[in-house]
Amino acid sequence: SQELEQSPQSLIVQEGKNLTINCTSSKTLYGLYWYKQKYGEGLIFLMMLQKGGEEKSHEKITAKLDEKKQQSSLHITASQPSHAGIYLCGAQLSGSARQLTFGSGTQLTVLP
Amino acid sequence: NAGVTQTPKFQVLKTGQSMTLQCAQDMNHNSMYWYRQDPGMGLRLIYYSASEGTTDKGEVPNGYNVSRLNKREFSLRLESAAPSQTSVYFCASTPTGYEQYFGPGTRLTVT
Repeated sequence: SQELEQSPQSLIVQEGKNLTINCTSSKTLYGLYWYKQKYGEGLIFLMMLQKGGEEKSHEKITAKLDEKKQQSSLHITASQPSHAGIYLCGAQLSGSARQLTFGSGTQLTVLP
Repeated sequence: NAGVTQTPKFQVLKTGQSMTLQCAQDMNHNSMYWYRQDPGMGLRLIYYSASEGTTDKGEVPNGYNVSRLNKREFSLRLESAAPSQTSVYFCASTPTGYEQYFGPGTRLTVT
């Protein structure tokens, strides 16, 4: 969706390297959701952010929502092959009750 | 606890054929959704059902119909399939908020 820009579209990193994926909107994000998708499978929920400046971590993955609530980043520390997949951000944008708008996804490849 | 299930997993149709994609959830969720996923376009909402007995159009509803059969089941029907409907279809559900739980998807090819 053009309402939610995700970058980069693809990322290839060496195992052990850190990486960041960004999700940006021109509208205020009332809720930001990060999902991971493995090929041929559905989306797995990772984290939800709602408050400006909020930061959450799970294992080696950290997600942040900026103070203006228009940009979120997903940071992976010391990447592993198990981190490979497609990462999608989904957002509740103003005026879209009960609906999520999704970014186009970031394809992450981690080379052993 | 199976979560969200979808059938079939794969389907090949000829242009003009019809079919119904089935979705069921066993989490007692109120809201259910149908998305399609195309390369470079992320997920786009086709239809959703906020609660049993209600359905609403999403971003790309043309060519599709839905039925919320009961609280558990939400089906998506293609009356006359077109090649432009070749995609991966995902069903999702959520209790009352926005954290959505997704099924494994149906890969549909229309020739």
